[in-house]
Amino acid sequence: QKEVEQNSGPLSVPEGAIASLNCTYSDRGSQSFFWYRQYSGKSPELIMSIYSNGDKEDGRFTAQLNKASQYVSLLIRDSQPSDSATYLCAVSGSARQLTFGSGTQLTVLP
Amino acid sequence: GAVVSQHPSWVICKSGTSVKIECRSLDFQATTMFWYRQFPKQSLMLMATSNEGSKATYEQGVEKDKFLINHASLTLSTLTVTSAHPEDSSFYICSAGQGGTDTQYFGPGTRLTVL
Repeated sequence: QKEVEQNSGPLSVPEGAIASLNCTYSDRGSQSFFWYRQYSGKSPELIMSIYSNGDKEDGRFTAQLNKASQYVSLLIRDSQPSDSATYLCAVSGSARQLTFGSGTQLTVLP
Repeated sequence: GAVVSQHPSWVICKSGTSVKIECRSLDFQATTMFWYRQFPKQSLMLMATSNEGSKATYEQGVEKDKFLINHASLTLSTLTVTSAHPEDSSFYICSAGQGGTDTQYFGPGTRLTVL
């Protein structure tokens, strides 16, 4: 069974700090990896996608992928209170289905 | 781009009635749409994969006769919860895939409360 593991948190960081979110996955054949942000009571919003080893940067967000270690991470620089949400790691499998981790709850303290 | 809408955003119904939820891709064609359910404090659970013009593929444990899915066009998929019961109360979210990628864009969700 394909699994995606995340620390559930909660993770608290002060405003302006770097928030680091981690995710591991079990299916070595996975090719596509995603980070979604979900505010309470809302649906997930795509933040980043990453397909190859290394770093991918988009504004304050950096996704890192290490397929050998089956590890994906998301760094949020200059964290803002508005970044407070649950962050979901998702891995694509067959039929383009996504397997989600349980999410990490992030709180950015002003 | 890549906007997905859902209707209604919330619905309250009596036990035993049926509820239909619509999912539309507004600015792209989606050959595949996905339906998820999310209970409070839990992650998303995939219910079924919906392909345009064919029968949906349901995940293990999801009753296909209770959760009817129709994907009649490249921009519309519907989920009908038949004979709803209080335990069906949940947040139902659809997503659509764009083009040849694995990226899924989510609708805003429908909160169903069954009394």
